[in-house]
Amino acid sequence: EVQVVDSGGAVVQPGGSLRLSCAASGFIFDDHAMHWVRQVPGKGLEWVSLINWDGTSTSYADSVKGRFTMSRDNSKNSVYLHMNSLRPEDTAFYYCAKEGTYSSGWPYFDFWGQGSLVTVSS
Amino acid sequence: SYELTQPLSVSVALGQTARITCGAHNIGDKNVHWYQQKPGQGPVLVIYRDSSRPSGIPERFSGSSSWNTATLTISGVQAEDEADYYCQVWDIRTGGVFGGGTNLTVL
Repeated sequence: EVQVVDSGGAVVQPGGSLRLSCAASGFIFDDHAMHWVRQVPGKGLEWVSLINWDGTSTSYADSVKGRFTMSRDNSKNSVYLHMNSLRPEDTAFYYCAKEGTYSSGWPYFDFWGQGSLVTVSS
Repeated sequence: SYELTQPLSVSVALGQTARITCGAHNIGDKNVHWYQQKPGQGPVLVIYRDSSRPSGIPERFSGSSSWNTATLTISGVQAEDEADYYCQVWDIRTGGVFGGGTNLTVL
């Protein structure tokens, strides 16, 4: 059974930093790209970042580029989102998501974590 | 930036057919994916690559895409289908793009 478990959400002051973690199981982890998607409470979904299967390539939404860094440790079946210079508008649930097996250049997300709440407030 | 337009809400009687649209310029040229999200839960993939259904998703869920509109169809709507639904595509310049979401109400 595929499982994706994200963690690390917390209350952080503006300008602060935080690291989210995501542990995956039930599939061959280093065969798949992974993503982060966020959702402001009560609002829609926003794609945040992507990391390829071996961690050599990443991509970010313009809203987080230069502030967030995604990494992975295939020996631990885990991915991470390092968030710096946090702003109040970064307040959201952050979901880790596995890229679908049949993406073929059109990525989709076939398994999602339960979400970690990041609150940026003084 | 590439934008996907969904109706804010759709209402359908129990057992009838619900159609949720996702509009964008030439969306028929892209692969469209659909997600269901219930309150307090993470999204669940219900349709990928326009019309493919993941294992475990009921047959009443189907998808289609053509020209400027993609459509998620739920035939014989059940009470448990009441949820928010999001369409999604991948844009080579901006990455993942989601529609604004549609709240489905089952009457």
